Amino acid sequence: KQEVTQIPAALSVPEGENLVLNCSFTDSAIYNLQWFRQDPGKGLTSLLLIQSSQREQTSGRLNASLDKSSGRSTLYIAASQPGDSATYLCAVPTGTASKLTFGTGTRLQVTL
Amino acid sequence: SQTIHQWPATLVQPVGSPLSLECTVEGTSNPNLYWYRQAAGRGLQLLFYSVGIGQISSEVPQNLSASRPQDRQFILSSKKLLLSDSGFYLCAWSVWGDSGYTFGSGTRLTVV
Repeated sequence: KQEVTQIPAALSVPEGENLVLNCSFTDSAIYNLQWFRQDPGKGLTSLLLIQSSQREQTSGRLNASLDKSSGRSTLYIAASQPGDSATYLCAVPTGTASKLTFGTGTRLQVTL
Repeated sequence: SQTIHQWPATLVQPVGSPLSLECTVEGTSNPNLYWYRQAAGRGLQLLFYSVGIGQISSEVPQNLSASRPQDRQFILSSKKLLLSDSGFYLCAWSVWGDSGYTFGSGTRLTVV
């Protein structure tokens, strides 16, 4: 059974800092890995999708890496802003119908 | 472009009343459709998924049911709501391959 863990569970940083969120998964037989953002009381917004054949994906200040063999992914956020404050979730599709298994989430707060 | 619509955004229902939440997808054919629930302060739990019209798979025993009357329509229902059905309900879609998941904006259900 796939298990996805995210570290840290919560993170508070001052504006402007670069930061790294970690995601680990137990079953390396994945098609892809997706990073989401969830603002309080809102739905999930897809940030980055990394295919199993890729090592990195970039979108603006976000960079996600994937190391299938070690079962790890990282989300790098450059020059953090207060608007980046949210919960970040990683997820991998597994099993029948590519059901998503979500990580435990990292709650990020960027302070002024 | 593909879009996903979910309504209503919020709902307050008395215990014992029926429920019907609707989700529709535009711009794609034969998607996989999913219903997730997020209880307050908790992670995302997969409730149902569907790989085709009339095909419903349930992940957990509960007071809810799902139906897919059309290719791009997914409905979550209950005949009699319980207090424990309160939560944030999210619909999502994906297609076979490497497209990742797209989530709707969610319905916040409060059972009183």
